[in-house]
Amino acid sequence: GENVEQHPSTLSVQEGDSAVIKCTYSDSASNYFPWYKQELGKRPQLIIDIRSNVGEKKDQRIAVTLNKTAKHFSLHITETQPEDSAVYFCAASETGNQFYFGTGTSLTVIP
Amino acid sequence: DSGVTQTPKHLITATGQRVTLRCSPRSGDLSVYWYQQSLDQGLQFLIQYYNGEERAKGNILERFSAQQFPDLHSELNLSSLELGDSALYFCASSTSGAPYEQYFGPGTRLTVT
Repeated sequence: GENVEQHPSTLSVQEGDSAVIKCTYSDSASNYFPWYKQELGKRPQLIIDIRSNVGEKKDQRIAVTLNKTAKHFSLHITETQPEDSAVYFCAASETGNQFYFGTGTSLTVIP
Repeated sequence: DSGVTQTPKHLITATGQRVTLRCSPRSGDLSVYWYQQSLDQGLQFLIQYYNGEERAKGNILERFSAQQFPDLHSELNLSSLELGDSALYFCASSTSGAPYEQYFGPGTRLTVT
């Protein structure tokens, strides 16, 4: 089955700096890659996603890039703010029937 | 609010007992997924139902079972509970086929004592 690895497990940045979280996947058939943000004690929330026919997608301060050849995708957050502090999860899916999640990255934005 | 509801919010029970967690998907969503999240852990996929039928199975224990009813709500049954089953259980729903976006419910926190 699919195996998704996520790095780093923890990340601290100064407010205003950029944060980058990387994920690799093993199954070349995976074609949908969402990112979720989870605040403490709350539900994971979809923040951005990308499909395999696209190399990059942006939504305001958040962007995701996908390298199908290398089988990795990354989340980029620019101009970080304290409210960006949370755990971020990447995931991969082929058909939408099963999602394989990374182990999460705990992001702390220091004011 | 994602539109996915889960009940109960919290559940405290003893080892050996059986509990049922309930999930109602967003209006129009045919797929329901169940996940387990233990303390400081990631999301472990348990099982997926699509329009009443099991579609995919993950690392779900034999003591656990699920079903999706004709009105599309789903229940996750956990039996012979052990201390290690204490976790946050999330349900998520999505539409059929692409684009696959999942929307999570608020979760049920299960504590086994």
